[in-house]
Amino acid sequence: AQKITQTQPGMFVQEKEAVTLDCTYDTSDQSYGLFWYKQPSSGEMIFLIYQGSYDEQNATEGRYSLNFQKARKSANLVISASQLGDSAMYFCAMREPPGSSASKIIFGSGTRLSIRP
Amino acid sequence: NAGVMQNPRHLVRRRGQEARLRCSPMKGHSHVYWYRQLPEEGLKFMVYLQKENIIDESGMPKERFSAEFPKEGPSILRIQQVVRGDSAAYFCASSPGQGNHEQYFGPGTRLTVT
Repeated sequence: AQKITQTQPGMFVQEKEAVTLDCTYDTSDQSYGLFWYKQPSSGEMIFLIYQGSYDEQNATEGRYSLNFQKARKSANLVISASQLGDSAMYFCAMREPPGSSASKIIFGSGTRLSIRP
Repeated sequence: NAGVMQNPRHLVRRRGQEARLRCSPMKGHSHVYWYRQLPEEGLKFMVYLQKENIIDESGMPKERFSAEFPKEGPSILRIQQVVRGDSAAYFCASSPGQGNHEQYFGPGTRLTVT
């Protein structure tokens, strides 16, 4: 069965520092997609970044990058130059192979990131 | 192009009442997914629907919960005889289908059972 593990329930980081949020996954599929979502206190789910299992390069989106280590089954999120507005819950997630009859997304338990001024 | 819309955003029900949560997918999207988020937890898949069909309901509780996505109108998640444990945020996501399964999330409905 597919599973996402986030081992850091909470993190405190000084503003302007870089931060790495850990995520490991378990799947027997060869084709899958990995996501990171941000959930601020207002509650909405904000898509941050996506990595396909066959993508050779790590995904990047502005200050976000995904450190994809396929052999280790890890997909850590790196936020460079953190800002106060980055304080939120962050969820790592995985999607079943594209084309499957039910491409549901499986979420980890989340990491609460707090940025100190 | 409006995003996924959910209403109501907040819903309060007494134990034993019924809750109806609505989701209007993005324009052109024919696939809808419902997820539930209990306090301090990640989202858990409930059900996946296409127009007039339930494709995967493996995450739905066996009793009191039902979902539909009619030919016309929004998708409805219905919870009968609500209990306090049903208090959660319910998120809807939609995707275009036709090989594209990218999911776009709505803002969620926060259900509180008193």
